Amino acid sequence: ETGVTQSPTHLIKTRGQQVTLRCSSQSGHNTVSWYQQALGQGPQFIFQYYREEENGRGNFPPRFSGLQFPNYSSELNVNALELDDSALYLCASSLEARRTFGSGTRLTVV
Amino acid sequence: QKEVEQDPGPLSVPEGAIVSLNCTYSNSAFQYFMWYRQYSRKGPELLMYTYSSGNKEDGRFTAQVDKSSKYISLFIRDSQPSDSATYLCAMSVGQAGTALIFGKGTTLSVSS
Repeated sequence: ETGVTQSPTHLIKTRGQQVTLRCSSQSGHNTVSWYQQALGQGPQFIFQYYREEENGRGNFPPRFSGLQFPNYSSELNVNALELDDSALYLCASSLEARRTFGSGTRLTVV
Repeated sequence: QKEVEQDPGPLSVPEGAIVSLNCTYSNSAFQYFMWYRQYSRKGPELLMYTYSSGNKEDGRFTAQVDKSSKYISLFIRDSQPSDSATYLCAMSVGQAGTALIFGKGTTLSVSS
């Protein structure tokens, strides 16, 4: 059984640029959610996708957007990057109640 | 007031000690309560999952939920150096399809 894999593991971007982060769900999981974890903080919910439709969103601006593909993999896109977007971005796939997190993408905005 | 409050520590204990980690919350709609362990540079790993009030035990770990006090706890017995990590409490209103609300995490260090 494969787990949740995220790519890239690390990324450095310049303020104002755009970034795309990728997530491969655990086999059989049809729901994917994304979280932002700033240093020293708990993860914060960005949004969730179920069968390619967004079905939940946290308190994040529209420049955070996403996609889920038919194979349940997912992308997180962030436009107009700001310094405060520097964080660990976590993807979690789930089937019913059990969520499995990936190891995350560490994004640094300079 | 944040929805979920968790003392960030750090907490340092000797090997073999009993560790108590706690969270309080303000939203009485929370029904599902979880504890995650996060090692450095890794994603959170689910340790315990409980529904509503009561106790749940799994090996050296015991999770307690007191909904009347809006208080949850995780106890670790016979702590080991490998337990050194950040422990995050999380909770949600629904079972699936709803957001997890996390605490800040408590950093635990177990010395041998």
